[in-house]
This record gives sequence, structure tokens and C-alpha cells, in this order.
Amino acid sequence: DTAVSQTPKYLVTQMGNDKSIKCEQNLGHDTMYWYKQDSKKFLKIMFSYNNKELIINETVPNRFSPKSPDKAHLNLHINSLELGDSAVYFCASSQGTAWWLFFGEGSRLTVL
Amino acid sequence: QQPVQSPQAVILREGEDAVINCSSSKALYSVHWYRQKHGEAPVFLMILLKGGEQKGHDKISASFNEKKQQSSLYLTASQLSYSGTYFCGTVSGSARQLTFGSGTQLTVLP
Repeated sequence: DTAVSQTPKYLVTQMGNDKSIKCEQNLGHDTMYWYKQDSKKFLKIMFSYNNKELIINETVPNRFSPKSPDKAHLNLHINSLELGDSAVYFCASSQGTAWWLFFGEGSRLTVL
Repeated sequence: QQPVQSPQAVILREGEDAVINCSSSKALYSVHWYRQKHGEAPVFLMILLKGGEQKGHDKISASFNEKKQQSSLYLTASQLSYSGTYFCGTVSGSARQLTFGSGTQLTVLP
């Protein structure tokens, strides 16, 4: 069983479209995250949810909207996609807010 | 503010040792180390907590100097499988969020 799973693994889309990425963890963790990794491999935190409550909301365009229906799921919806949104998006989970992270396999988004 | 890692890249032969450094300008609660192989997700290696507690893999060691807000990862007798990008992540006392450094690309040659 995959501990943190993301779907889809690859998205190729046109500028202006809307897309969603889903994440599920079966580790029983209470905290989930979205990280963005750009072409230079820099891992930047975007959002964090603890027990379904948003606790970290970094300077991210309003076009990005996370949603956590329950502790095991965290989705990311992106509106009006731009070229600069092309990146690998990683979902991660942890038990508590400062403990180590388990990452999903990543979702590679390419905006044309 | 992200921690600073050095070196940016290192190339070594199997069996050689390497040290990767991580420093922060903030007072730290903990330091994390992760390894990411090409095309894969980052994988947790070790966490070092303020006060001396450590949790991680047996074959990897690290240090945490709380006074200097610095950590070092020690890779001894490198194997080909050690190749990848190593990230340190820091959690400061107030923010309690994990911020990653820019990574160190390690290449182990036969």
C-alpha cells in the first residue's frame, strides 16, 4: 500500500485551464502539506493543514485553492493556469506539525 | 527564510566520505535531512532535535550545533546508491514549519 498517493502523476494542459490534484494518505497522520518544486529543484511550502484546519498559507496566488475534506485527504485546485505554474507538486504528511514528512510521488504539471 | 546549504554539488568515488552543511540565521527547533533521487520524491533520512535527540537511519550520521544553528550530514564509505540531491530542512521555534534549503547534488562514481 502506498503511504501517500497523488493523482494524477502527470498533467499537461493549456494556459488558462483549471486543474486539480488529489492526495490521500493512509498513515493516520494529522497534518498534510503541498510543496512546489521548480525546475531548480527548490522545494517551497505552499499550504499545510492540521486536522483539516489550514495552518500554513504561504504567499501563493489566489488561483491556488487547497481543500481538505478529512484528515486523510488534501486536494489542490488551480484556476487559470499560467506558464510559471509548471512544476512538480508534492503532497506530504506528518504526525504533528514539526515531525518528519512522508512525501507522495509528485504530480508533474506542464502548462503550454 | 530558507537555510543555506553547502556545497551545492559534490562528486566522489565509491568508498569516499562526504560532508554536507546546513546553516540558518534563526533559532532552530529541529533540523531534517532528506534525499531525493532523480524523478522520485524526497525521502526522510534523519531529524535532529534541539536538546540532542536524533531519529534516523543507522548508516547516516549528522550533527546539530544549537549555538551556531548549524547541522552537518556525514556520509561515510559512500555507495553508488547514495547519489541524489540532499536537502536540509529547518523548523524554527516560532514558525513550526519546515523550510528547505536549496539542496546539495551528490554524485558517487564507481
